[in-house]
Amino acid sequence: GNSVTQMEGPVTLSEEAFLTINCTYTATGYPSLFWYVQYPGEGLQLLLKATKADDKGSNKGFEATYRKETTSFHLEKGSVQVSDSAVYFCALSDVGTGRRALTFGSGTRLQVQP
Amino acid sequence: GAVVSQHPSWVICKSGTSVKIECRSLDFQATTMFWYRQFPKQSLMLMATSNEGSKATYEQGVEKDKFLINHASLTLSTLTVTSAHPEDSSFYICSAASGGSYNEQFFGPGTRLTVL
Repeated sequence: GNSVTQMEGPVTLSEEAFLTINCTYTATGYPSLFWYVQYPGEGLQLLLKATKADDKGSNKGFEATYRKETTSFHLEKGSVQVSDSAVYFCALSDVGTGRRALTFGSGTRLQVQP
Repeated sequence: GAVVSQHPSWVICKSGTSVKIECRSLDFQATTMFWYRQFPKQSLMLMATSNEGSKATYEQGVEKDKFLINHASLTLSTLTVTSAHPEDSSFYICSAASGGSYNEQFFGPGTRLTVL
């Protein structure tokens, strides 16, 4: 079956530090990969996505590259801000197998200190 | 992006009672809605997938008679937790998607259920 593994948190960084949140996956088909962000008290929001190998998703300074050879989709940002404090979820959707539902990782809480 | 609402945002009920949670797509037609459950500090686990006008497809281990899902229109799906027990206390989240298989899912803000 499909699964997503991401690094445990919390991750605590100072403002302007470099961020990496690791995510690896297993899938039976050719999945699309996503990063979602959940700010306190809000629902999940799509941060970025990539639908095929070597694609790079980017949004709001965050980037992630779909690496099929390492089955990874690590999230990076060059300079984090306090407003980036949230929980980040890596997810996949294996539409090729007819399954639209998302398989999520366990989430990583990011705390950015001023 | 599109907006999905959930109601109520939180609910407290006594053991043995039933609770209904609504999920609405406010500005688009949702052909498919998904119901997830999130335990504290854990990930979202898919409970069921519902397509408008047809029966929901439940994930393995999810009791369909306990978690009743109705997707009667393109903008509304409901999840009813029947005869709730304390172990059903959780954060329930819906998402909605329109049209083709690659269309983005939009998530509701979630409903926190506490069963006493």
